[in-house]
Amino acid sequence: NAGVTQTPKFQVLKTGQSMTLQCAQDMNHEYMSWYRQDPGMGLRLIHYSVGAGITDQGEVPNGYNVSRSTTEDFPLRLLSAAPSQTSVYFCASRRTVAYEQYFGPGTRLTVT
Amino acid sequence: GESVGLHLPTLSVQEGDNSIINCAYSNSASDYFIWYKQESGKGPQFIIDIRSNMDKRQGQRVTVLLNKTVKHLSLQIAATQPGDSAVYFCAETGTASKLTFGTGTRLQVTL
Repeated sequence: NAGVTQTPKFQVLKTGQSMTLQCAQDMNHEYMSWYRQDPGMGLRLIHYSVGAGITDQGEVPNGYNVSRSTTEDFPLRLLSAAPSQTSVYFCASRRTVAYEQYFGPGTRLTVT
Repeated sequence: GESVGLHLPTLSVQEGDNSIINCAYSNSASDYFIWYKQESGKGPQFIIDIRSNMDKRQGQRVTVLLNKTVKHLSLQIAATQPGDSAVYFCAETGTASKLTFGTGTRLQVTL
């Protein structure tokens, strides 16, 4: 099993550009989520999904969109990048009946 | 991925000593707590968890203590090793959907 994979590992965007951060898991986990990690603020939940076709907002959803067309994939879209979205982004997955989350290696995004 | 930034509280311990990392949580309705370890350049990794109906749980070299009266969680690492150097986060949840993470503590192990 590859676990949770994320691409790209690093990305630099200009303000106003859009892009999609990819996340995939091969553990057949129902629950997937996206977090951002900023200095001094821990991990904050952006969006999450409890299964294919179902998504919901987390703590900091503004400026991001998600979709969940398959169990395996949960892409995060930045609609119009802003410098405030400079962060490290982590995708995670788990089984619905368990709390233990498995995290991907992260994507470091810089918006100039 | 990258570890959390520059201004984390830091705990320095000598190799072989025991480490105690503390966490205060805010939600008295939280019923499940987790400790994660994050090494530089990697995503968080599950260490140990505890439910609110327990006050202590032990794993391999790690023990988590929960004091619900004062809303305090601690992680004890026995015989700390250089490989334990990382940032440690506590997380809490009162529902199945959302974990709330603390800001983290950096553990530095000196030889």
